Amino acid sequence: AQKITQTQPGMFVQEKEAVTLDCTYDTSDPSYGLFWYKQPSSGEMIFLIYQGSYDQQNATEGRYSLNFQKARKSANLVISASQLGDSAMYFCAMRAFNAGNNRKLIWGLGTSLAVNP
Amino acid sequence: DTAVSQTPKYLVTQMGNDKSIKCEQNLGHDTMYWYKQDSKKFLKIMFSYNNKELIINETVPNRFSPKSPDKAHLNLHINSLELGDSAVYFCASSQVYGNTGELFFGEGSRLTVL
Repeated sequence: AQKITQTQPGMFVQEKEAVTLDCTYDTSDPSYGLFWYKQPSSGEMIFLIYQGSYDQQNATEGRYSLNFQKARKSANLVISASQLGDSAMYFCAMRAFNAGNNRKLIWGLGTSLAVNP
Repeated sequence: DTAVSQTPKYLVTQMGNDKSIKCEQNLGHDTMYWYKQDSKKFLKIMFSYNNKELIINETVPNRFSPKSPDKAHLNLHINSLELGDSAVYFCASSQVYGNTGELFFGEGSRLTVL
């Protein structure tokens, strides 16, 4: 069965420090993609970063990087130099490309991040 | 130009009423979705259409009926609203083939059933 686990319901970080949000996944499909989304208090869902299972390097997008450890089945999001605007809910999601329904994303329960000034 | 737009943004209604939410995407994507996000922020997929064909139909009460007149539009009609239907409903679209398949979300429609 495919599953995404985010074990941290809530996290705190000081402004300007780095923070890691954990995500572990489970799939038997060798071809999959991992996504991180941000949902601020205003409610919109914002795509942050993507990692493909065959990508050789960890994905980076500005202050966001994905620490992809395939053997451990983890895809942690690292936010460097935290800003107050990073306070939000963060969701990890996975798509298995060879699954019967490869358009369906499997979602984690989310991690609420609060950045303290 | 908004990529995925859904209307209305807010709905407040009485139990037993019927309501509709409309969604349009101008990204040229082949797949559209309806998600429900409850008060605990859990995202649950409800339906998905690929080129007007229903491809995902999760365990959703048949009071919920999606309709896709074309691949750029996906509407959601809800009959006989119940208190438990109160949630934020997100429309999303994606292009899976030849792409990573990331979802692009609308701003959400907050439904409150009194």
